This record gives sequence, C-alpha cells and structure tokens, in this order.
Amino acid sequence: DQQVKQNSPSLSVQEGRISILNCDYTNSMFDYFLWYKKYPAEGPTFLISISSIKDKNEDGRFTVFLNKSAKHLSLHIVPSQPGDSAVYFCAASGETSYDKVIFGPGTSLSVIP
Amino acid sequence: EAQVTQNPRYLITVTGKKLTVTCSQNMNHEYMSWYRQDPGLGLRQIYYSMNVEVTDKGDVPEGYKVSRKEKRNFPLILESPSPNQTSLYFCASRPWGRVRNTIYFGEGSWLTVV
Repeated sequence: DQQVKQNSPSLSVQEGRISILNCDYTNSMFDYFLWYKKYPAEGPTFLISISSIKDKNEDGRFTVFLNKSAKHLSLHIVPSQPGDSAVYFCAASGETSYDKVIFGPGTSLSVIP
Repeated sequence: EAQVTQNPRYLITVTGKKLTVTCSQNMNHEYMSWYRQDPGLGLRQIYYSMNVEVTDKGDVPEGYKVSRKEKRNFPLILESPSPNQTSLYFCASRPWGRVRNTIYFGEGSWLTVV
C-alpha cells in the first residue's frame, strides 16, 4: 500500500497561470516532506521542503502547503513557466537519517505556452 | 562539481546475462542507495548502504545485489536479469546524519531485459 500518493498522474496548465500539485500521505509518523523535480533523461533534483512544524514554505515561485490534520500537502507554482514542465515527486520522511524517504508516484506537469 | 555518476546510461540485455550498473559519488557521502522508477509506482528503494561494508535491503531487493567496498562506489548487480527488471534505475547519495535537502541523484540508467 502506497504511503505517499499523488492521485493526478498528469496536469496541464497555461503559461502564467497557477499550477497546483497535490500529495496525500497515510503515515502519521511522517514529519518532513519534500518535492523533487525530474526532467526527461535527468535524475530528480530537490525543489522545496517543509517540516511538520510549519504549514507553509515559500521559495520564489514555489510554495508548499501542509495540512497535517488532512495528511495533505500541495505544491503551488506561480506563475507557471514552460520550463516547469517536468515530473514532480512528493516525498515524506522522519527528521533523521534513520528514516527512509518514501516517494510518491509522481505527477507530470505540462505548462503550455 | 558535486556529482553522482552512473553507467551505463542505456543498456539492452538478454535474460540471464549478468550485468553491473556502476555508481560513483564525489561528495564523500556516507549513505548511498539504489532506486527503480516504474510507471505509477514512483521511486522504490532497492538497496541502501550507510557506509563501507554496511548494506541493507530496501523495499524491492529481489533479484539484485550490491556491494560497498569503497565509500565513493556502490555498484548494483543483476546476477540473472529477468524482463520484470526492465526499468529506470537511479543511484543516490546523501550525508549521514541529516535528511534535509541532501539527496543527490544520478542521471539514471535505462535497462531493458529481453
């Protein structure tokens, strides 16, 4: 059973609009969450993270929101750009190196010019 | 430049023919791991290593072997590949002791077993 779920395999958004990528998790012991971005023919690269003590973390055009009670997080990209077209993986973990990082199945984002 | 390098990037092989995918990192990281990416399943961990001569199974270890004789290298060995091991493989590394922002992935190795 997947502990980290991304229920939208794909998403298309017009350039300049907001992209919202969603992620749900089942394990209440998770307390650190990450988003990774992957372009074709490249490995995933770290994008943004959030600790469970926060409900929002912002980095430029990227904002991650965490709703612990709902076990839900979302990644907002504003404004979306064609270069944002990639696969986005949500991941969850505990805070220490002893905790495995569990990845979701990914959402493929296409930003249409 | 901080890098995780894996080879080969692309490989087509036949069932039963042993192969090794190499992985090397230049960041002096203690922790290294192998993932496979399959459609709808995301990145699943195959094996990991917390340091030299210390390895352990991940979520999908069947059919794979690893070794960690040197800190920088972590090869993935398929002793007798089967078609269900056709996948995209990623090697990754990170420092031990911290989780945040620190998983570095290689560029991936496309493996097809026919």
